[in-house]
Amino acid sequence: KQEVTQIPAALSVPEGENLVLNCSFTDSAIYNLQWFRQDPGKGLTSLLLIQSSQREQTSGRLNASLDKSSGRSTLYIAASQPGDSATYLCAVCSNDYKLSFGAGTTVTVRA
Amino acid sequence: GAVVSQHPSRVICKSGTSVKIECRSLDFQATTMFWYRQFPKKSLMLMATSNEGSKATYEQGVEKDKFLINHASLTLSTLTVTSAHPEDSSFYICSARDAFRGLSSYNEQFFGPGTRLTVL
Repeated sequence: KQEVTQIPAALSVPEGENLVLNCSFTDSAIYNLQWFRQDPGKGLTSLLLIQSSQREQTSGRLNASLDKSSGRSTLYIAASQPGDSATYLCAVCSNDYKLSFGAGTTVTVRA
Repeated sequence: GAVVSQHPSRVICKSGTSVKIECRSLDFQATTMFWYRQFPKKSLMLMATSNEGSKATYEQGVEKDKFLINHASLTLSTLTVTSAHPEDSSFYICSARDAFRGLSSYNEQFFGPGTRLTVL
């Protein structure tokens, strides 16, 4: 069974600082990996999807890397803003298309 | 494109009643929909995989008689929580996989906004 771990569980930084969120998974036989954002009481917003054959994906200030062999992914958010405050979830898609989620990293960006 | 809706967004019911939650793909067809449950400050847990025209596949530990899933069309799946009890209170989220985007979509799942269920 795929186990997904996210570290740290919570993070508080001043505005402008870069954010580094970590995700690790136990089974490297994955189909893809997604990063989501979740605001309190809301659904999921997809941020980035990395195919298993890819090493990274970028969208604006967001960059996600994937090292499948070591079971790790990192989400980088450059020049953080208060609007980036949210919980960020990592989800690993197995070859049967099922997603296994980490518990998330709750980010607070202080103005 | 790729919008998924859920209805209702919030429901409060008395213990012992049944509650139906709808998940719709608005602008694409989904042969597969997934139902997740999220406890406060916890991760999403996959409950079941819903396939159009066939029985749902439930994850280990999920009671199929408690959580009835029907996927009657390519755009609609329903989750019915039968004889709800306070411990069923949770945030339920569905997702849908676009059946016809093929490999180029990397089989991405699109998520609904979630339904907050509170059982008194």
